[in-house]
Amino acid sequence: SQQGEEDPQALSIQEGENATMNCSYKTSINNLQWYRQNSGRGLVHLILIRSNEREKHSGRLRVTLDTSKKSSSLLITASRAADTASYFCATDAYGNNRLAFGKGNQVVVIP
Amino acid sequence: EAGVTQFPSHSVIEKGQTVTLRCDPISGHDNLYWYRRVMGKEIKFLLHFVKESKQDESGMPNNRFLAERTGGTYSTLKVQPAELEDSGVYFCASSPSPGQGAAVFLADEQFFGPGTRLLVL
Repeated sequence: SQQGEEDPQALSIQEGENATMNCSYKTSINNLQWYRQNSGRGLVHLILIRSNEREKHSGRLRVTLDTSKKSSSLLITASRAADTASYFCATDAYGNNRLAFGKGNQVVVIP
Repeated sequence: EAGVTQFPSHSVIEKGQTVTLRCDPISGHDNLYWYRRVMGKEIKFLLHFVKESKQDESGMPNNRFLAERTGGTYSTLKVQPAELEDSGVYFCASSPSPGQGAAVFLADEQFFGPGTRLLVL
């Protein structure tokens, strides 16, 4: 079964720096989504990129998708302390609404 | 517009007891999903309702878990009897259906609730 898997790294960066995290998956997908979870809170949807898209922007977020490599990256520019959270990628396959999540990336932005 | 809500936010029960979790999706969303994250593991899909019907329950771990969505509005997830390994965070999500006449049922953004933190002692 397909699965989103982030690079298993915890990032600790200074406020103002950029943060990049990656995600790989195993099978064909319809779309890939990135979510954020602040400590003790629910999952907040950040951005969705469809399989026929290569790059997408939303505010300070930039997502890329390489279906040939089955990978995606999330870039957060000009990070803020409020960006401190866990970030998850999730994939779904054609005709299948089940989201498969990765383990998550912990990002800490130091003020 | 109100988001997905879940109740309770936390639940602490003893092994063998019963717990019922509730999810209220965003009004008008036909699709309702349950996911859970047990300690140290990934968030895993449990099941998917379309209105009141179970579309996909392939992620339900065993028959101690029973999900219902009577009337196609809110949903409940009952765990009976609860075991230690059921501890974790249970998330609910909802999404709208695609427009009528869509040839392919495309997944769309799923809106998640805050989760219910279940601890089984």
